[in-house]
Amino acid sequence: EEQLLESGGGLIQPGGSLRLSCGGSEFTFRKYGMSWVRQAPGKGLDWVSCITASGGSRFYADSVKGRFTVSRDSSKNTVYLQMNSLRAEDTAIYYCAKVSETYCSRSSHMDYWGQGTLVTVSS
Amino acid sequence: QSVLTQPPSVSEAPGQRVTISCSGSNSNIGDNAVTWYQQLPGKAPKLLMYDNNLLPSGVSARFSGSKSGTSASLAISGLQSEDEADYYCSAWDDTLNGWVFGGGTKVTVL
Repeated sequence: EEQLLESGGGLIQPGGSLRLSCGGSEFTFRKYGMSWVRQAPGKGLDWVSCITASGGSRFYADSVKGRFTVSRDSSKNTVYLQMNSLRAEDTAIYYCAKVSETYCSRSSHMDYWGQGTLVTVSS
Repeated sequence: QSVLTQPPSVSEAPGQRVTISCSGSNSNIGDNAVTWYQQLPGKAPKLLMYDNNLLPSGVSARFSGSKSGTSASLAISGLQSEDEADYYCSAWDDTLNGWVFGGGTKVTVL
């Protein structure tokens, strides 16, 4: 079964930067879009970003646009989320999810999720 | 405030049936398929249903889904204690160009 493993979370001060990584296995990584979804403590799911299989298209939630950057290295089966200008409201568990298709689009959904990595933004 | 609207909680006795509603708009549910996720306590979300009413391999047929217009619903029949979890609906939003979620519904088995 498809496996995803996130890393890179931790405690960071407001205004700081952090890069999350997510490694995929047991599936052909280069063929699928990859997405990030976060969940603030005690709150619901909040979609953050998605990158297509080729890496040619990237999508962001308005709340992170201009501050977060998604990228991928399919030779390493890894997707990244570079988070800059972090704010207290970015505190959450960040989940990496495999997209069901090549593209991030209306015809796709997130079918496998990692266990998440906790990001805490606090002084 | 979530883009999709779900009731915060539902509860029912074991063996009974519960339904969770999910309300959206033309730019999301009205035009696109609905996906449902189950999140057990302390765990990552898991795909429960996709394309409105399709079950992934391994998911119990006690779960069923439907969609009409800008609303969708998830039904759980023969409720079991293992069904206690948070359930989230989701759909692609054509205006936001990304996925949106409901606020989640906590299912309690009495």
